[in-house]
Amino acid sequence: SQQGEEDPQALSIQEGENATMNCSYKTSINNLQWYRQNSGRGLVHLILIRSNEREKHSGRLRVTLDTSKKSSSLLITASRAADTASYFCATDASGGYQKVTFGTGTKLQVIP
Amino acid sequence: EPEVTQTPSHQVTQMGQEVILRCVPISNHLYFYWYRQILGQKVEFLVSFYNNEISEKSEIFDDQFSVERPDGSNFTLKIRSTKLEDSAMYFCASGQETQYFGPGTRLLVL
Repeated sequence: SQQGEEDPQALSIQEGENATMNCSYKTSINNLQWYRQNSGRGLVHLILIRSNEREKHSGRLRVTLDTSKKSSSLLITASRAADTASYFCATDASGGYQKVTFGTGTKLQVIP
Repeated sequence: EPEVTQTPSHQVTQMGQEVILRCVPISNHLYFYWYRQILGQKVEFLVSFYNNEISEKSEIFDDQFSVERPDGSNFTLKIRSTKLEDSAMYFCASGQETQYFGPGTRLLVL
């Protein structure tokens, strides 16, 4: 089954450092999205990258997509304590807006 | 900025009781979804809804679950006879290419 797997499972960095999280998936996709979830809260959409795109930026976020390796990375530059959260990739393979499949998530802790 | 809203934020119920979770999707969206997240686990897809009918559902979405769009704004998830294992955070989402999630309803079945 199609599944996103993030690594690392947990990441702890100092404020100001960059954080990189990776996501791998198994089947072809139409797009891949990254979400953030603060502990026990809702999912906040961060960025969407389509299968024909290789890189996308949004503020301090940079997402790459390598469809040949079936992987994506999320880079958060100049991290802040407020970036502390879990980050999930979610893939859409259907092309018909049916569902997204979430990965296991990376728990990021940014130490002030 | 428009957002998906969900009520209630928390619900505690006894096993075997019926619960209805409510969602107000973003007004111009056409696709609606329910997901759930058991504590400490991944977010799992339950069902997608388009044009007043279910377009896809997962194995989790058995006969105990139903969805409805009773009017032009609400989208509900009903669990007819709750089980202990239904305890989870339930997320509503709307959108198309990008899915926007609500804040969730934390359901606890005792």
